[in-house]
Amino acid sequence: AQKVTQAQTEISVVEKEDVTLDCVYETRDTTYYLFWYKQPPSGELVFLIRRNSFDEQNEISGRYSWNFQKSTSSFNFTITASQVVDSAVYFCALSPPSYDKVIFGPGTSLSVIP
Amino acid sequence: DTGVSQDPRHKITKRGQNVTFRCDPISEHNRLYWYRQTLGQGPEFLTYFQNEAQLEKSRLLSDRFSAERPKGSFSTLEIQRTEQGDSAMYLCASRKGGETQYFGPGTRLLVL
Repeated sequence: AQKVTQAQTEISVVEKEDVTLDCVYETRDTTYYLFWYKQPPSGELVFLIRRNSFDEQNEISGRYSWNFQKSTSSFNFTITASQVVDSAVYFCALSPPSYDKVIFGPGTSLSVIP
Repeated sequence: DTGVSQDPRHKITKRGQNVTFRCDPISEHNRLYWYRQTLGQGPEFLTYFQNEAQLEKSRLLSDRFSAERPKGSFSTLEIQRTEQGDSAMYLCASRKGGETQYFGPGTRLLVL
């Protein structure tokens, strides 16, 4: 069975602090994709990143960085120097190679306080 | 390139009524997906289409739910005899080729 766990339900940080959102996944597939999506209060899911299970290189995009560790089945997301606009619910997700059935975690609600 | 659009954005209905939602995917996206998201949870897969063919349905999609994509472009999701438990956000997504799914803004349904 496939499953995504985001143990942190809610996180609050003060602006400019760094914050890491945890994601642990379960799958029997040898090939799979991992994703992070952001859902601001407006409700629309915004795609942030996709990672292939064969590519364990960490990735950095501006203030965002992702740490993929296959050995621990984790795909954590770090926001550096957080800003109020980062306040949203963040979802980690998993899919088979076909991308057709994306399994989402329960989400982590991030509040960045000015 | 416009994004995925959904209509209506909000719907309030009484228990027992039928409702229909529409999704217009990104142009040239041949795959279209429906998800349901309840409060405090992540989206859950309901069904998807490749062109006009419905290829998979989740167990969540009871016989009161029906989805169509008649010409392989827009899709509709109908819920018959709505129940209070159907209250949720209904999300549509689309993609083409090896691209990631891109989501629409959702239709928020409240069943009274």
